[in-house]
Amino acid sequence: DTEVTQTPKHLVMGMTNKKSLKCEQHMGHRAMYWYKQKAKKPPELMFVYSYEKLSINESVPSRFSPECPNSSLLNLHLHALQPEDSALYLCASSQALVTYEQYFGPGTRLTVT
Amino acid sequence: AQSVTQLDSQVPVFEEAPVELRCNYSSSVSVYLFWYVQYPNQGLQLLLKYLSGSTLVKSINGFEAEFNKSQTSFHLRKPSVHISDTAEYFCAVRGTNAGKSTFGDGTTLTVKP
Repeated sequence: DTEVTQTPKHLVMGMTNKKSLKCEQHMGHRAMYWYKQKAKKPPELMFVYSYEKLSINESVPSRFSPECPNSSLLNLHLHALQPEDSALYLCASSQALVTYEQYFGPGTRLTVT
Repeated sequence: AQSVTQLDSQVPVFEEAPVELRCNYSSSVSVYLFWYVQYPNQGLQLLLKYLSGSTLVKSINGFEAEFNKSQTSFHLRKPSVHISDTAEYFCAVRGTNAGKSTFGDGTTLTVKP
């Protein structure tokens, strides 16, 4: 199984809502990533977890809160988002932090109204 | 620090024509090099990777890329494209001892009948 799954596929939320994005992999990978991708732009790294501990935070606003409850799951909690946060949110995993190959999920298309 | 430059933002070609998507990078450390493909409304899929060894790497669907250390390039080529190759292509570099990938801005390949 070389798949990274993400739910939901689409999410529409208001600026006062609280929602969560979920990511799951069963490849035994110990590094997991959140990226944000705007239309026609490359993915921008947000967070990296290694062995369930936050390893990299790319100065992301606190309205985005990551969580790694176990080695297979990665969540991104959203609160008080702004319309400019609308984007495709991609999850990825790799065998370890310094392993070369990342596997990406299909993404969650988020719209903030 | 690393950077990636994809020299063409859009490449329109006719079906069965050859194509080259250009990628140059700069880095102060040794890197791994990647090409990812993103179809509309999907996540990124790894197309090719250069880690070490032979500088010419090939994918199962006819793409190939050549690592040129002296020119710091990793151009992607295909001798004959199909309509289904229409997608966004991202070149990326990753330090051999780092957990972060740097992506180029992407090249939109449009294959016309």
